[in-house]
Amino acid sequence: RKEVEQDPGPFNVPEGATVAFNCTYSNSASQSFFWYRQDCRKEPKLLMSVYSSGNEDGRFTAQLNRASQYISLLIRDSKLSDSATYLCVVNRYSSASKIIFGSGTRLSIRP
Amino acid sequence: GAVVSQHPSRVICKSGTSVKIECRSLDFQATTMFWYRQFPKQSLMLMATSNEGSKATYEQGVEKDKFLINHASLTLSTLTVTSAHPEDSSFYICSATVTSGGAYEQYFGPGTRLTVT
Repeated sequence: RKEVEQDPGPFNVPEGATVAFNCTYSNSASQSFFWYRQDCRKEPKLLMSVYSSGNEDGRFTAQLNRASQYISLLIRDSKLSDSATYLCVVNRYSSASKIIFGSGTRLSIRP
Repeated sequence: GAVVSQHPSRVICKSGTSVKIECRSLDFQATTMFWYRQFPKQSLMLMATSNEGSKATYEQGVEKDKFLINHASLTLSTLTVTSAHPEDSSFYICSATVTSGGAYEQYFGPGTRLTVT
């Protein structure tokens, strides 16, 4: 079993729809959580950190459920420009030494 | 956000030659940088952790004699792919860590696409 698992998708949704991704992690010692976005043939870019209390940034909402060991990303009112691969990232310890990437979820927004 | 650069962005080399890739933190000092490799339609795989002033820590299955890492300053880490083969063709990405609000955020370089012919 992978340490960080994501549904690879692709998710194909119409513009304006709401879409949600989940990511599960197996190591309960994981400390920090992030969502990254990666466009085709580009480097990943930090989308948002995920805090225990949940956090929102515009149309994006991230939540963490430590008991069930998953994080989620919700995108409201999706735009064509949201089409990308979304990577779940887990920092296993409180140091920077172990950053684990999920394999990514592909999202395609259609007009 | 923090800026990380990589050079070159694209390189084509012949089998058996060596290629050096540079990773620089432009507006901050990075005691730790990471090197990843990404094959098409696959996730990033951590190759090694580069520590300024000490030896790199390699992930299981990554040959340290083939992928030489040097982190000689707080703003520069280099990855040298020695005796490259076609199977080494990949997208190599470096990242550096910035501490923000108690969490560690990774900032990535733009990547280097290596093609070995």
